[in-house]
Amino acid sequence: GAVVSQHPSRVICKSGTSVKIECRSLDFQATTMFWYRQFPKQSLMLMATSNEGSKATYEQGVEKDKFLINHASLTLSTLTVTSAHPEDSSFYICSARDTGNDEQFFGPGTRLTVL
Amino acid sequence: GQNIDQPTEMTATEGAIVQINCTYQTSGFNGLFWYQQHAGEAPTFLSYNVLDGLEEKGRFSSFLSRSKGYSYLLLKELQMKDSASYLCAVRDWWAGGFKTIFGAGTRLFVKA
Repeated sequence: GAVVSQHPSRVICKSGTSVKIECRSLDFQATTMFWYRQFPKQSLMLMATSNEGSKATYEQGVEKDKFLINHASLTLSTLTVTSAHPEDSSFYICSARDTGNDEQFFGPGTRLTVL
Repeated sequence: GQNIDQPTEMTATEGAIVQINCTYQTSGFNGLFWYQQHAGEAPTFLSYNVLDGLEEKGRFSSFLSRSKGYSYLLLKELQMKDSASYLCAVRDWWAGGFKTIFGAGTRLFVKA
């Protein structure tokens, strides 16, 4: 089946630093990718929809200046958490929609811990 | 907006059958997904319904009624490894395209 990768899988950083998370569709083109955040024992919360070649669309309550999204190619979207704080510690999961058949696949997730 | 409701927790016995319900309200319904998620891992796809009726896949079946805004996931012959969270998700059409919104998830505990 289709594969979506995320890098890094786990990151620990100091408060105030920025962290970049990459999401790649490995064997299909994804015009649209989605970024979710999941806190412990809670469900996935959609943060933003990333569209190749255009600006991302953010969900209500998500700061676009804090969570920078770039979707520069049909196989890569990046999420940068700027000036990270401990409350940003979470599990970040991307999902890519296959442009060819409209199926949606999830990456393995990135666990971010901000000290 | 969207609203997706499912029970918070369920407990069932190994070998039994369990049904996890999901009700939803959306403005541009375009399909309903069920995912399984083990702690610390990303969700894995179980089923997709876009038309009314029952979809069967091995021990897992999923049902959809669009007129009622209702779906259920049926798990048969429960195994201990089925202990996980089960997420109901709805694909919704909005002005910028489709997006998939998740319910809070149902934590299933399978006991011996």
